[in-house]
Amino acid sequence: DGGITQSPKYLFRKEGQNVTLSCEQNLNHDAMYWYRQDPGQGLRLIYYSQIVNDFQKGDIAEGYSVSREKKESFPLTVTSAQKNPTAFYLCATGDRDLSPLHFGNGTRLTVT
Amino acid sequence: DAKTTQPPSMDCAEGRAANLPCNHSTISGNEYVYWYRQIHSQGPQYIIHGLKNNETNEMASLIITEDRKSSTLILPHATLRDTAVYYCIVLPGVSGGSNYKLTFGKGTLLTVNP
Repeated sequence: DGGITQSPKYLFRKEGQNVTLSCEQNLNHDAMYWYRQDPGQGLRLIYYSQIVNDFQKGDIAEGYSVSREKKESFPLTVTSAQKNPTAFYLCATGDRDLSPLHFGNGTRLTVT
Repeated sequence: DAKTTQPPSMDCAEGRAANLPCNHSTISGNEYVYWYRQIHSQGPQYIIHGLKNNETNEMASLIITEDRKSSTLILPHATLRDTAVYYCIVLPGVSGGSNYKLTFGKGTLLTVNP
């Protein structure tokens, strides 16, 4: 989706290092979300934010942290406390009504 | 939230209609049916959604049974680029951003063959 930019597309890190994944949007959407996808699996919600300076834990928040200082940006930090960080990470945005979510094209993180 | 059941995989010939079924027998009165698809290594893409009436847009048609316990996504003329995993999701129709509860299962892998 041209309105959501996730960078980089591929990311490699050594075990024990924190890493931050970027998500930027120009859709003027209030809400932003981070999902994790493992091979052959569905999406699981990590964190979400419905307004600037506020965010909530999703279903699998342990080992992750986020910030929402600007409406356009919702970076996700994968900390060394995350036991199995290797995965495909997807950022999404949405209006606060029933409109469907828009997804970025994801960042594939590999930790060795 | 109501759960959905989809076949794990389906095949379709290029140019033919692809009919993807979804079972949501525990859906409640205010829950919508949404369809997304995910092409390999990309983010999911919204396709269509509906409450009880059939819906059509430039991508697909959505047929919801009268009892709302199942639905079918129809791609009228499937192309090779329609090969993807298709997800059927049920969400409550409450305003205020409740669509963040979007939980994808494993979906249906549709393979369009030449």
